[in-house]
Amino acid sequence: AQTVTQSQPEMSVQEAETVTLSCTYDTSENNYYLFWYKQPPSRQMILVIRQEAYKQQNATENRFSVNFQKAAKSFSLKISDSQLGDTAMYFCASMEYGNKLVFGAGTILRVKS
Amino acid sequence: GAGVSQSPRYKVAKRGQDVALRCDPISGHVSLFWYQQALGQGPEFLTYFQNEAQLDKSGLPSDRFFAERPEGSVSTLKIQRTQQEDSAVYLCASSLAWAAGKGTDTQYFGPGTRLTVL
Repeated sequence: AQTVTQSQPEMSVQEAETVTLSCTYDTSENNYYLFWYKQPPSRQMILVIRQEAYKQQNATENRFSVNFQKAAKSFSLKISDSQLGDTAMYFCASMEYGNKLVFGAGTILRVKS
Repeated sequence: GAGVSQSPRYKVAKRGQDVALRCDPISGHVSLFWYQQALGQGPEFLTYFQNEAQLDKSGLPSDRFFAERPEGSVSTLKIQRTQQEDSAVYLCASSLAWAAGKGTDTQYFGPGTRLTVL
């Protein structure tokens, strides 16, 4: 069974600084996908970034990048130049072939001015 | 519409009442998922449709929960004889298709329906 663990319930960062959110996962599959979703207080879940497990290169999307360590089953999210609008709950999730997302418990990120 | 929509956004039910929650996926999206999110927790999978076929309902917590997607577009999640433990946000997500590695499997979420059972 898939499991996803986020060990940081809350994080804070100053505006314009860099923050890293941690995530570890477990799966018995070779083909799987990893995601970071953002859920602002309005509750709409928004995709931040995705990573295919077969790709060695870390995914990047503008200020967001991941550090994917397949052997260690680690998938951290780095947010550079943090902005006030980045304040949200961040969920790490995994997906095995053709199926459901399994989410971690989430990390609340607060960006301070 | 441009995104996944859900209605109602908020629902208050008395214990024992039946409720129906609606999801309108992104037009053309083949796959549709329902998740349950308890307060302060991550969403948990309930059920999955590919077109009108319900391919996985392993996450439905009891036989009081029932989902359908009769024409392969709009879906309804029905909860019979609601209990207080059913109070949660119910999220719907859709994806274009399942095509491994092509990104079409990315799930897009609706705003959710917050259900409160008194």
